[in-house]
Amino acid sequence: EPEVTQTPSHQVTQMGQEVILRCVPISNHLYFYWYRQILGQKVEFLVSFYNNEISEKSEIFDDQFSVERPDGSNFTLKIRSTKLEDSAMYFCASSRVNHGYTFGSGTRLTVV
Amino acid sequence: GQQLNQSPQSMFIQEGEDVSMNCTSSSIFNTWLWYKQDPGEGPVLLIALYKAGELTSNGRLTAQFGITRKDSFLNISASIPSDVGIYFCAGLNYGGSQGNLIFGKGTKLSVKP
Repeated sequence: EPEVTQTPSHQVTQMGQEVILRCVPISNHLYFYWYRQILGQKVEFLVSFYNNEISEKSEIFDDQFSVERPDGSNFTLKIRSTKLEDSAMYFCASSRVNHGYTFGSGTRLTVV
Repeated sequence: GQQLNQSPQSMFIQEGEDVSMNCTSSSIFNTWLWYKQDPGEGPVLLIALYKAGELTSNGRLTAQFGITRKDSFLNISASIPSDVGIYFCAGLNYGGSQGNLIFGKGTKLSVKP
């Protein structure tokens, strides 16, 4: 079964530092996403990416966030200057057209 | 924005019992998805529903896409200890940009052996 791979599984960073979360989506998927889940809460949409550009983003995805597909396989989420409230599980997902998404196992980001 | 109301929030059941949970929305979706999340893991897709009225099974799981397109339910029959986890419904409207998932707040299922 193809899967979405995320690294690292856990990242601890100091407030104000930049972090890059990495994802390898499923190879024949065309749509890529980042979602966030604060501990004990529901999963929230951050951004979707298609054809090398952002197709949709939520109000959570402010100027501190950016996404990139630097090569044919990786999809990254960068948080420029982390805040305490950025602590959460970050999930990458990918999908084909009109199909359910496949999520990765997540990166637990802890900002101290 | 669109919101999903998922209920119940939590359930404590005996092994072997059947489970039912549901999601409702004030607006329509053209796809309903049910995910299960284990602690420290990402959501895993259980069932996807693409058509109003559709009833789909996956082993002991059955889910239906409501006729109004504003609701969905998930049933688990003869629960077992490994069914423990948080179950999320999610609604999706496919459009030109593929759309994004709106998640419910989850139903936490506990199963007593």
